[in-house]
Amino acid sequence: AQSVSQHNHHVILSEAASLELGCNYSYGGTVNLFWYVQYPGQHLQLLLKYFSGDPLVKGIKGFEAEFIKSKFSFNLRKPSVQWSDTAEYFCAVTPSGNTGKLIFGQGTTLQVKP
Amino acid sequence: SAVISQKPSRDICQRGTSLTIQCQVDSQVTMMFWYRQQPGQSLTLIATANQGSEATYESGFVIDKFPISRPNLTFSTLTVSNMSPEDSSIYLCSVRRGGETQYFGPGTRLLVL
Repeated sequence: AQSVSQHNHHVILSEAASLELGCNYSYGGTVNLFWYVQYPGQHLQLLLKYFSGDPLVKGIKGFEAEFIKSKFSFNLRKPSVQWSDTAEYFCAVTPSGNTGKLIFGQGTTLQVKP
Repeated sequence: SAVISQKPSRDICQRGTSLTIQCQVDSQVTMMFWYRQQPGQSLTLIATANQGSEATYESGFVIDKFPISRPNLTFSTLTVSNMSPEDSSIYLCSVRRGGETQYFGPGTRLLVL
């Protein structure tokens, strides 16, 4: 069955530290990849997405993610986190051409200490 | 993106009762989706709702428990029937825009006592 795995469940960083959140998926075909973010008290927002082309994609608020097909990975990165990045981050996958089912990872809670 | 609203935003219900959650989108969309996020867990797709056809349910979810309506291209409802404490979750609707990108509503936080 298709699945998404996020390696870190809870990450605590100090401001200005670099961030990398791991995401791996299991699906043999072509996929579309997403990172969503849920800030405290807010609803789920799209952070960035990858459909095709340059495997390094840039999203909002200085986030980027790299698709490595050979590793079935789509890790999220940010060079310098801010306190306002405190949130829960979800990696999600949908097979290309699929009717729309998004498969989510378990989520990673990021806490940034000021 | 899309502007999506849900009603109610939260509710506390007694077991055995039913709750209908509404989802309204700012413009017409073909596909709407309903997800559940149980406490401490990730999002799981309940069903896909297309206008003019029966909803398509994922494994583990049945129409009798989660009936869905899709009367037009901007609106859908999800009913959680005969509720038990295990139904306490956040229920979210989403729509697909810009190809295969989904945008989510604010969610309905349900607590069943």
